[in-house]
Amino acid sequence: DQQVKQNSPSLSVQEGRISILNCDYTNSMFDYFLWYKKYPAEGPTFLISISSIKDKNEDGRFTVFLNKSAKHLSLHIVPSQPGDSAVYFCAASEDTDKLIFGTGTRLQVFP
Amino acid sequence: NAGVTQTPKFRILKIGQSMTLQCTQDMNHNYMYWYRQDPGMGLKLIYYSVGAGITDKGEVPNGYNVSRSTTEDFPLRLELAAPSQTSVYFCASSPTRGKDEQYFGPGTRLTVT
Repeated sequence: DQQVKQNSPSLSVQEGRISILNCDYTNSMFDYFLWYKKYPAEGPTFLISISSIKDKNEDGRFTVFLNKSAKHLSLHIVPSQPGDSAVYFCAASEDTDKLIFGTGTRLQVFP
Repeated sequence: NAGVTQTPKFRILKIGQSMTLQCTQDMNHNYMYWYRQDPGMGLKLIYYSVGAGITDKGEVPNGYNVSRSTTEDFPLRLELAAPSQTSVYFCASSPTRGKDEQYFGPGTRLTVT
């Protein structure tokens, strides 16, 4: 039972346009959500997070939106750059010591 | 400040062999984690530790053991390696519990044949 789902395994976007990566979850007890970015042959690195008491969090070109009623979050990257090409994982926590990760979406930004 | 380091980077094991994956962090973080990532899958938690001397099972602990004798080190032991343990293994640390940003090492790619 996959509690955190990223249904799009890949996404291709032109440089300068918006990238939207989606994540759905099933556990209503999740109260904190994070996005990680992973380049090949490297470990994941933290990108941005959001608490369930908010519906939006912004950091530069990255914005995460949370829709609790739909159990859905999305990561918007505007404008997309070639260096954003990576695998993006969403993760969720329900006030425990652990994170539950999604399966990842591979983003490719082309010129 | 090296962050989280993992050794080795690559390893090929024969079925039934044993090995220890090393993980060290120099950030004085209490929390440490071991994950595995199979192709096309997310990260699955194997074991974690909330401090020296304290460890607990994650989602997929079978076939693995851990110990945490110091704050810095969190080795992962594979006994009797099986092909199903072919994966990329990531160690991570964080200053406090799960909601905090986790810092990941570069990973160990393990193949069991």
